[in-house]
Amino acid sequence: DSGVTQTPKHLITATGQRVTLRCSPRSGDLSVYWYQQSLDQGLQFLIQYYNGEERAKGNILERFSAQQFPDLHSELNLSSLELGDSALYFCASSIRAGGPREQYFGPGTRLTVT
Amino acid sequence: GNSVTQMEGPVTLSEEAFLTINCTYTATGYPSLFWYVQYPGEGLQLLLKATKADDKGSNKGFEATYRKETTSFHLEKGSVQVSDSAVYFCALSGTQGAQKLVFGQGTRLTINP
Repeated sequence: DSGVTQTPKHLITATGQRVTLRCSPRSGDLSVYWYQQSLDQGLQFLIQYYNGEERAKGNILERFSAQQFPDLHSELNLSSLELGDSALYFCASSIRAGGPREQYFGPGTRLTVT
Repeated sequence: GNSVTQMEGPVTLSEEAFLTINCTYTATGYPSLFWYVQYPGEGLQLLLKATKADDKGSNKGFEATYRKETTSFHLEKGSVQVSDSAVYFCALSGTQGAQKLVFGQGTRLTINP
């Protein structure tokens, strides 16, 4: 158990809908990362937050957004969903924004768009 | 930009065989290197890491050495077990700015008894 929790574990929704994925980092970790894992794209970095502030953006679509709250949990919002958004979404956390710190991953949320 | 290339899978071995999964990288500066493992239906678990040249990461019988001269971080294990069946990801984290992980495409390993 990494100490990172994600809810829900599975999500099935229809095209055009909006969903929210939730992540709680390990106790004490200030930085949260979101990744998308799909068969065709592999594991792709989406966005990073550090202590409530956006730190870096990767291949995140404009239809997607995220935030980190004062209690350090994070939410990833996906809107106007398309079939191609079906994927595993992972959250990871680490202690600080900089430095060679390993990231600890949650179990993921499997999103299926029908 | 930074990138990681892993050997194509899937890899199928018999129990107690020797394992090598090749990983090479392209990066500026001195990245940190990682191997993560993903068991069926689970998230990624950190297997081992190395943060500077010639460092050797090891865990659960797996080893990998950070080779800057060949930009490689190959994963090895002397005697694999059925329980090692999983997908293995090589990844790097840059030294500047955000510490996002850049992953290889993953190598699926199956160990037969």
